[in-house]
Amino acid sequence: DGGITQSPKYLFRKEGQNVTLSCEQNLNHDAMYWYRQDPGQGLRLIYYSQIVNDFQKGDIAEGYSVSREKKESFPLTVTSAQKNPTAFYLCASSILAANTGELFFGEGSRLTVL
Amino acid sequence: SQQGEEDPQALSIQEGENATMNCSYKTSINNLQWYRQNSGRGLVHLILIRSNEREKHSGRLRVTLDTSKKSSSLLITASRAADTASYFCATDMEYGNKLVFGAGTILRVKS
Repeated sequence: DGGITQSPKYLFRKEGQNVTLSCEQNLNHDAMYWYRQDPGQGLRLIYYSQIVNDFQKGDIAEGYSVSREKKESFPLTVTSAQKNPTAFYLCASSILAANTGELFFGEGSRLTVL
Repeated sequence: SQQGEEDPQALSIQEGENATMNCSYKTSINNLQWYRQNSGRGLVHLILIRSNEREKHSGRLRVTLDTSKKSSSLLITASRAADTASYFCATDMEYGNKLVFGAGTILRVKS
């Protein structure tokens, strides 16, 4: 079945550590996105990528980094510079050519800083 | 920055009743979408309405769009306990499928 796979589902991190969240898609979608979700605040865009080896900052990119070396993969690193990293992280993808903006989401990764 | 704002923040109804959620936005859009999220899960796309459309139906869902008022509504008819979830509107403001989401409406359907 085609879809988006995020791992791990739950992750605990000590302050000062970097962690990387994995996002893989087999939908052959061009664009991929990372969103952060906090209670009562909806989703906020961290980074997005429309093509391999290229990506753009979203609204809250500070303290995060990404790479897009393969079309299928868009990992997100939460660095120690991110002041409040505890959140639910959602990866999504879309077909750019369709120009509809419909996003397909993974099941999310919940990061907790201890 | 959040483009869309949903209203109400939370809604509790009995099974069989209709549920209406509203979304307001600030700038011109190409289309508006509604998504559903079950607790602790990813979002699922429900329906998309383009800026030149006024109403759209999909099963028990009915979406309206009023571009003059910059608002949209999602109606779920004959609600079921399984409709319990959070519902988000999302708007795209520029080419490239970059969506901006509202804070969502939490719907609880009691059986």
